[in-house]
Amino acid sequence: QQPVQSPQAVILREGEDAVINCSSSKALYSVHWYRQKHGEAPVFLMILLKGGEQKGHDKISASFNEKKQQSSLYLTASQLSYSGTYFCGTHHAGGTSYGKLTFGQGTILTVHP
Amino acid sequence: DTGVSQDPRHKITKRGQNVTFRCDPISEHNRLYWYRQTLGQGPEFLTYFQNEAQLEKSRLLSDRFSAERPKGSFSTLEIQRTEQGDSAMYLCASSLTSVNEQYFGPGTRLTVT
Repeated sequence: QQPVQSPQAVILREGEDAVINCSSSKALYSVHWYRQKHGEAPVFLMILLKGGEQKGHDKISASFNEKKQQSSLYLTASQLSYSGTYFCGTHHAGGTSYGKLTFGQGTILTVHP
Repeated sequence: DTGVSQDPRHKITKRGQNVTFRCDPISEHNRLYWYRQTLGQGPEFLTYFQNEAQLEKSRLLSDRFSAERPKGSFSTLEIQRTEQGDSAMYLCASSLTSVNEQYFGPGTRLTVT
């Protein structure tokens, strides 16, 4: 089951903040966040494991609400380099597909000067 | 750590021809994944390996697709009798274990004419 990301697109000016959400209908073991620029491969940002943890580095952080099967990615004081498509990849709890990620449809983030 | 590499980066082939792609994972990574990505979509899981064992294949992977990882190091993905619908970016990723982050290679862009 593909996770649902919202919003589908965000337009910001440099310095503004953004939140990208990722929701799953299935129990999650972990959520992985990636950023992809046009024509390039996805670049790993961070991984959150079940337990409701929050992580961050620099001005990008994320949270994982295990009860709601949701994760949010927070980008603060956005920079031009933040532009790209953000994907969440979910690793579902149980079953035998350990490690297999199911990706959302992506959120296009555009930062203008 | 030289990252995940893929070869070739681009492949143009005529319908009906066979193609083979190669992926070299990060050297100590036991897990190797193949994904396919079409324009405007997130990566879709195709198959994955734990060392040389292929543990799961997606239903997306028809009989025309086969993947190997003969010595638990590099992997190959072969598509026989290519069709225009096979045109996509084929991404390889590797991880240390099933619960660690996955690092993607630059991808092989396949165009079937």
